[in-house]
Amino acid sequence: QRRLQESGPGLLKPSETLSLSCNVSGDPIATSAYYWGWVRQPPGKGLEWIGSIYYSGATFYNPSLRSRVTMAVDPSKTKFTLQLISVTAADTAVYYCARQVAWGGWFSAYFDPWGQGTLVSVSS
Amino acid sequence: QSVLTQPPSVSGAPGQRVTISCTGSSSNIGAGYDVHWYQQVPGTAPKVLITGITNRPSGVPDRFSGSKSGTSASLAISGLRAEDEAEYYCQSYDSRLYVVFGGGTKVTVL
Repeated sequence: QRRLQESGPGLLKPSETLSLSCNVSGDPIATSAYYWGWVRQPPGKGLEWIGSIYYSGATFYNPSLRSRVTMAVDPSKTKFTLQLISVTAADTAVYYCARQVAWGGWFSAYFDPWGQGTLVSVSS
Repeated sequence: QSVLTQPPSVSGAPGQRVTISCTGSSSNIGAGYDVHWYQQVPGTAPKVLITGITNRPSGVPDRFSGSKSGTSASLAISGLRAEDEAEYYCQSYDSRLYVVFGGGTKVTVL
């Protein structure tokens, strides 16, 4: 069964680095029609795309976060990761990983399925 | 402020039809890029509802339909039911910003 599961620390201090993993089961990451993305949602607010990665390692980042974000595909090709440096309280959010289905190409990709999400809080 | 603009809320009585607009610009919806819609029930992850403007994935009721005109897209829910109460988001591609979401619309069933 296709499933994505986020994991990582739930509490960080300001200036620390957020590191999350997304374990993918039921689907090979190395599939030409898929990208793999991260989306976050601050409490009570809307969705914000963080970035996406292709199995080849090609990355696409939200311009507003690009200077702080790094994504990678684990060599096992069963998970992909997110790093966000120098976090502040504004980075407090539920972080979702999701598969991006891109049968029509990168420009037409949509997110399906999503992981259940993991809450990351930044507080001193 | 979101690149794609949605009304904060819409409401309707059971059985009624409601529509949610998603207004973009010439760098996203107006440029011909696909629009997708997601439903998010409180406390859960978003779920895809409509892909490629009008396509319903398997399992999505045909009460949900999508359309597009110019720089805007719309999601219509006909025969509104209590279980449709949720937050709805549109998503598209932007030539400058890559992946963009609307701010979300809360649907209330009266």
